[in-house]
Amino acid sequence: KAGVTQTPRYLIKTRGQQVTLSCSPISGHRSVSWYQQTPGQGLQFLFEYFSETQRNKGNFPGRFSGRQFSNSRSEMNVSTLELGDSALYLCASSLAPAGGPYEQYFGPGTRLTVT
Amino acid sequence: GNSVTQMEGPVTLSEEAFLTINCTYTATGYPSLFWYVQYPGEGLQLLLKATKADDKGSNKGFEATYRKETTSFHLEKGSVQVSDSAVYFCALSDPGFQKLVFGTGTRLLVSP
Repeated sequence: KAGVTQTPRYLIKTRGQQVTLSCSPISGHRSVSWYQQTPGQGLQFLFEYFSETQRNKGNFPGRFSGRQFSNSRSEMNVSTLELGDSALYLCASSLAPAGGPYEQYFGPGTRLTVT
Repeated sequence: GNSVTQMEGPVTLSEEAFLTINCTYTATGYPSLFWYVQYPGEGLQLLLKATKADDKGSNKGFEATYRKETTSFHLEKGSVQVSDSAVYFCALSDPGFQKLVFGTGTRLLVSP
């Protein structure tokens, strides 16, 4: 079974621009979560989507948004990029029909650099 | 809110040495506890988990026991290998939720 895939793997953007990252979960998984990893703040939860609905949200500004499609693929968008948004963005998928927590499988991440 | 505290790294060991990485947590209720490992340039891999008090998670020679009385979930391995060099993250999740709260990570360096 193919693992979680994330595209692109690397991205360089300029301050003020916006960016969209994509995540394809493991086949059959309906929950997709996003995390930001930085040297200063570590790993922080952004949001989780299940069946096209945001189920949980972390403490990030409204510039960070996401969505999930009917095939469970998910995208996250960051608008008006700031230097501090430079990070590794990790996506994780799981079965998670209800309750939980269920085992989460992580993708390799997208490395975003904002200049 | 929930939080996880891990020992500072790096932890530097020789091959075949005994490993302990300390992890303590603060949480309301009864969280599930996890250890994840991250190899250079890769995402996170689940190493082991425990969902209730006194559970022992184990995988690939690594073990951790859910100690509610000390709110701890220390990672141990009897004999480390060079290939175990990576960053290890302790994490918790509340029942019914997929959100993981991570510790800061502990880098392990194993030399031959």
